[in-house]
Amino acid sequence: EVQLVESGGGLVQPGGSLRLSCAASGFTLRSYWMSWVRQAPGKGLEWVANIKHDGSEKYYLDSVKGRFIITRDNVENSLWLVMSSLRAEDTAVYFCARTTYCSTGRCYDHGIDVWGQGTTVTVSS
Amino acid sequence: DIQVTQSPSTLSASVGDRVTITCRASQSISYWLAWYQQKPGKAPKLLIYKASSLESGVPSRFSGSGSGTEFTLTISSLQPDDFATYYCQQYNSYSWTFGQGTRVEIK
Repeated sequence: EVQLVESGGGLVQPGGSLRLSCAASGFTLRSYWMSWVRQAPGKGLEWVANIKHDGSEKYYLDSVKGRFIITRDNVENSLWLVMSSLRAEDTAVYFCARTTYCSTGRCYDHGIDVWGQGTTVTVSS
Repeated sequence: DIQVTQSPSTLSASVGDRVTITCRASQSISYWLAWYQQKPGKAPKLLIYKASSLESGVPSRFSGSGSGTEFTLTISSLQPDDFATYYCQQYNSYSWTFGQGTRVEIK
């Protein structure tokens, strides 16, 4: 079964740090771009970051640039989001997500076809 | 950055109704648009990708159309399981954006 399982969320004070983890199973992680998407309480979806299948390219939402880092280990089948200088507006459910499939030099954009269940981050004093 | 405007924000409809949701991009995104359904407390579910391609396992009553800057999601005959919130998402550039969402509620 294709699955993404997030962990690492919790309550953190403003200015603090947190590392979110995403464990992938049931598919070959090294063939896919991966993303983090968040959803503040009662609000819509907001894309946070993307990482290329081989980890060589990373892209971020402007408001998290310089504070968040997306990383991956294709051998460990894991994705991470390291968050620092956290603000109240970063409070949200964070979803790990599978996106573009790449094989033999070609990539196929398919939207976000697999989502984790989400992990909740609360930034508050 | 590419902005995406979704309308309406709320839609009241009855079982069996034909429902249409619109998404407009601030610049051309070709056909790089997806539609998702989300129910309370759950992760979103992919319905449509590349503007009009139906994701495997999604009922055929869902369809997508459009290209460039104007896109629509149509549910041909609304079913009880379809009452949810729907989002469009552009993925033309490396910086993605979602629409604000359309909540489909029971009339």
